[in-house]
Amino acid sequence: QVQLQQWGAGLLKPSETLSLTCAVYGGPFSGYYWSWIRQPPGKGLEWIGEINHSGGSNHNPSLESRVTISGDTSKKQFSLKLTSVTAADTAVYYCARGTYYYDRSGSLLRSPIDSWGQGTLVTVSS
Amino acid sequence: DIQMTQSPSTLSASVGDRVTITCRASQSISSWLAWYQQKPGKAPKLLIQKASILEGGVPSRFSGSGSGTEFSLTISSLQPDDFATYYCQHYNSYSATFGQGTKVEVK
Repeated sequence: QVQLQQWGAGLLKPSETLSLTCAVYGGPFSGYYWSWIRQPPGKGLEWIGEINHSGGSNHNPSLESRVTISGDTSKKQFSLKLTSVTAADTAVYYCARGTYYYDRSGSLLRSPIDSWGQGTLVTVSS
Repeated sequence: DIQMTQSPSTLSASVGDRVTITCRASQSISSWLAWYQQKPGKAPKLLIQKASILEGGVPSRFSGSGSGTEFSLTISSLQPDDFATYYCQHYNSYSATFGQGTKVEVK
């Protein structure tokens, strides 16, 4: 059973950079896609972005200019950096894993996220 | 960008009720839709993928249907453990979008 353990600073000042890391235990790193999702207090889920099986990344267009997601296969870790944070970035941030599979025609497809980290509350306040 | 709209935002129901939550996509997403259940203070739990495929271990009272732009999650007989918030999510090869959530509360 894969476990995702995440950590990072929980209190930031406006304009600072949010930095979170997620480590993968009990399963491989390669062959999956690795995502970050956030949830402001009392609100819904927002997909931030991901790194995919080939090392490329995709981001939510609304955050793209401020987001960097990277992975370290040797350490089985992936990270999120979000620059120039404001109070609107206050949220619980989750790391998560999704799976790929091949269909009968040999096309590589994705299953939705099936494993989540414990979540980290990041508060942005002056 | 594809937008996902859930309705209702809140649903008041009693144990034993049949409840249905709707999710609409701003354009066709085929069957690339998942449903999650989230309880307070916890990470979401995947219930259904590909619009109608039940995840292992998920009770059979949960079912999903739809394709294209209209989807639904049905709980055939609401149980005490089912009071939670439910999210739909469109997923594809390069992005993912969540609906705004539907809170199922005690009537």
